[in-house]
Amino acid sequence: KAGVTQTPRYLIKTRGQQVTLSCSPISGHRSVSWYQQTPGQGLQFLFEYFSETQRNKGNFPGRFSGRQFSNSRSEMNVSTLELGDSALYLCASRSTEGAYGNSPLHFGNGTRLTVT
Amino acid sequence: SQQGEEDPQALSIQEGENATMNCSYKTSINNLQWYRQNSGRGLVHLILIRSNEREKHSGRLRVTLDTSKKSSSLLITASRAADTASYFCATGPDNYGQNFVFGPGTRLSVLP
Repeated sequence: KAGVTQTPRYLIKTRGQQVTLSCSPISGHRSVSWYQQTPGQGLQFLFEYFSETQRNKGNFPGRFSGRQFSNSRSEMNVSTLELGDSALYLCASRSTEGAYGNSPLHFGNGTRLTVT
Repeated sequence: SQQGEEDPQALSIQEGENATMNCSYKTSINNLQWYRQNSGRGLVHLILIRSNEREKHSGRLRVTLDTSKKSSSLLITASRAADTASYFCATGPDNYGQNFVFGPGTRLSVLP
């Protein structure tokens, strides 16, 4: 099976702009989660989508949003970019078979966003 | 707030030596997982240990879990230069209202 694919790999934006990141999960995985990784804060959970519905949300401002399509592909959007949004954004998918939480996360290689 | 906290933050060893990393967490868990991240890449799942298990092995990896102390350890035996990476523990949710929570990670450097 193909792994989790994130596009683009790198992005450079200026403050005030908006950005959309894309994630294609492993085939058959209906859960897609997004994480922000920075040197200072580590891995921070953004949100999780399952069957086109947001199931869980982290502690991020409303400028961060996401959605999931019927084919399980997901996008996240950040509006009105700030310098502090510079980070590696990671998408992860997982199987939801069996007991909840007992399947590992499969990560893409991330999108490196730089805000200038 | 962070659930998992790895210790040490950084570890430097020689090839062939064993590397031990520890993780502590705060609340009850369904399982605990360890991930590896090479620089600038995504995380790769290494091993999952359920809350009713005490020890698990996978190749050169050995994970222990002590739920009474809310701690876990990851042992990498006979380390290689290719093991150089950051290692994260993550607590797995036990209901639909929770998410995986990652610790800050341990940066392991294996010197040839």
